[in-house]
Amino acid sequence: DIVMTQSPSSLAVSAGETVTINCKSSQSLFGSVRQKNYLAWYQQKPGQSPKLLIYLASTRESGVPDRFIGSGSGTDFTLTISSVQAEDLANYYCQQYYDTPWTFGGGTKLELK
Amino acid sequence: EVQLVESGGGLVQPGRSLKLSCVASGFTFSNYGMNWIRQAPGKGLEWVAYISSGSSYIYYAETVKGRFTISRDNAKNTLYLQMTSLRSEDTALYYCARNGQPWDYWGQGVMVTVSS
Repeated sequence: DIVMTQSPSSLAVSAGETVTINCKSSQSLFGSVRQKNYLAWYQQKPGQSPKLLIYLASTRESGVPDRFIGSGSGTDFTLTISSVQAEDLANYYCQQYYDTPWTFGGGTKLELK
Repeated sequence: EVQLVESGGGLVQPGRSLKLSCVASGFTFSNYGMNWIRQAPGKGLEWVAYISSGSSYIYYAETVKGRFTISRDNAKNTLYLQMTSLRSEDTALYYCARNGQPWDYWGQGVMVTVSS
């Protein structure tokens, strides 16, 4: 199984700050046929279901604000949230869909400082 | 508007069975693979099972293989998860999710509690 390791597990920020969440996979998520990385990011607010933010490592889902930026390739990926707003406080998960079983990182809780 | 509505959860004793349903609307259900994903209380996300649009391909997590069965009825726009031999560690909120790019729409979840 592909193991996804996220860091940090929690992060306290002030509104307006830029934050970076890291995700490392135990093997490359780069598919040679489509030349894409099969990595997604989800946001889950308390009491809500997860919401897709980013797919193919860097493609923003429709309607997601451009302050959410996904980057990385191979085994190392990053979600950057520029100018954090109060509404961004949530848990964030990375997920690989390169191979089954599809697996998630352990999550990063973004809290207000 | 895409909607996924799960039902069928509840409190069940260890070793018993339960069947979850997920009714889809707002898109052509028969064109999409579907998944079940679960989240234990206060924990992270765990993929459980996948079924392709025409039911030709089915995959399970090792933790549920042999105990859970995913199925679908495209005429009824409904996804199912038959759960047998339930264990306490199956206690979780179960979500259905559309296999878009990759999982672009999720239901609100249905709670399954396995306890005596």
